[in-house]
Amino acid sequence: DSGVTQTPKHLITATGQRVTLRCSPRSGDLSVYWYQQSLDQGLQFLIQYYNGEERAKGNILERFSAQQFPDLHSELNLSSLELGDSALYFCASSVKGGGASEQFFGPGTRLTVL
Amino acid sequence: DAKTTQPPSMDCAEGRAANLPCNHSTISGNEYVYWYRQIHSQGPQYIIHGLKNNETNEMASLIITEDRKSSTLILPHATLRDTAVYYCIVRVGVSNFGNEKLTFGTGTRLTIIP
Repeated sequence: DSGVTQTPKHLITATGQRVTLRCSPRSGDLSVYWYQQSLDQGLQFLIQYYNGEERAKGNILERFSAQQFPDLHSELNLSSLELGDSALYFCASSVKGGGASEQFFGPGTRLTVL
Repeated sequence: DAKTTQPPSMDCAEGRAANLPCNHSTISGNEYVYWYRQIHSQGPQYIIHGLKNNETNEMASLIITEDRKSSTLILPHATLRDTAVYYCIVRVGVSNFGNEKLTFGTGTRLTIIP
């Protein structure tokens, strides 16, 4: 158990819909990262937040957005969903902004878009 | 971040040492070598990291060559639960905007054989 929690575990929805994935980092961790793992693209970094502020952006679509709240939990919002958005979405956290500190990953949310 | 090259798959007999190689010939002086693994579709799990000295923890040992162009992850007594995809990642050690993400390649699929 990494200490990072993600909800829901599974999500099945239809094309065009909007969903919200939630992540609670380990106690004391200020940084939250979101990654997407699809069959054809592998594990890809989406976005990072540090203490409530966006820190870095990766291959995140404009239809996707995220935020980190004052209690440090984070939400990833996916809208106008397409079949290709079906994937595993992982959240990770680290103590600070990175450096040599490791990231701890949650169990993931499996999104299926029908 | 420097690119890494890993064999796509390896087998190892249960109880033997598993040696997973990684080539990172373009690594820079301030870049660390990290190893993560992903068991089935679980969240990636941090294993170990190092800069230039060999490192050991309760999970594994990391041997980095003197020129730092390659490294080997050693699982000393592999068990069936070590069957996973192992990722070698090179990342800058100094925290800075945009460089804290993990860039995953395709990794090595390690199968432990009973």
